[in-house]
Amino acid sequence: AQTVTQSQPEMSVQEAETVTLSCTYDTSESDYYLFWYKQPPSRQMILVIRQEAYKQQNATENRFSVNFQKAAKSFSLKISDSQLGDAAMYFCAYPTSGTYKYIFGTGTRLKVLA
Amino acid sequence: NAGVTQTPKFQVLKTGQSMTLQCAQDMNHEYMSWYRQDPGMGLRLIHYSVGAGITDQGEVPNGYNVSRSTTEDFPLRLLSAAPSQTSVYFCASSYSIWTGGEKLFFGSGTQLSVL
Repeated sequence: AQTVTQSQPEMSVQEAETVTLSCTYDTSESDYYLFWYKQPPSRQMILVIRQEAYKQQNATENRFSVNFQKAAKSFSLKISDSQLGDAAMYFCAYPTSGTYKYIFGTGTRLKVLA
Repeated sequence: NAGVTQTPKFQVLKTGQSMTLQCAQDMNHEYMSWYRQDPGMGLRLIHYSVGAGITDQGEVPNGYNVSRSTTEDFPLRLLSAAPSQTSVYFCASSYSIWTGGEKLFFGSGTQLSVL
């Protein structure tokens, strides 16, 4: 069965520092996508970054980058130069192209300390 | 362009009452879905639809009903509300999930409390 696991319920980071959020997944598919979504206190879900499994290069969006290890089925999110506005719940997600279902992890709450 | 419009934002029900959460998108998206978000459990898929007239169950479908008569609308019905259905509900859509590469567009969520 396809699963997504986020083992860190909560993380803290000092403003301007770097933090890495972990995500592991399980799938038998060879070609797929992985996503990180952010949910700030406003409750709105916002796409942070997307990774295509067949691409060896890790995706990057400004201060956000991923460390994608396909063989290890690991998909971690690195936030550099953390800002107060980065404080949010972060969800790792995997859309199963064969069954049309998005699977979400349980989330990691990130606190940014001033 | 309104995106995904979800109503109401807040709702309080008594056990046994029924209600419908509304979801509409104006982006001509094929795929629409409903999730519930509970603390420590992430987002769990309730029902989804890959086009008008086509719906299917997700991970936690019991106690919920859906239909999709138009491309734009995908309402979620609670048949007989129970306290276990207290949650935050999200509607989400994407142009197509066939390749898995499409991001989801989310509504603003509904905080539902069942007393």
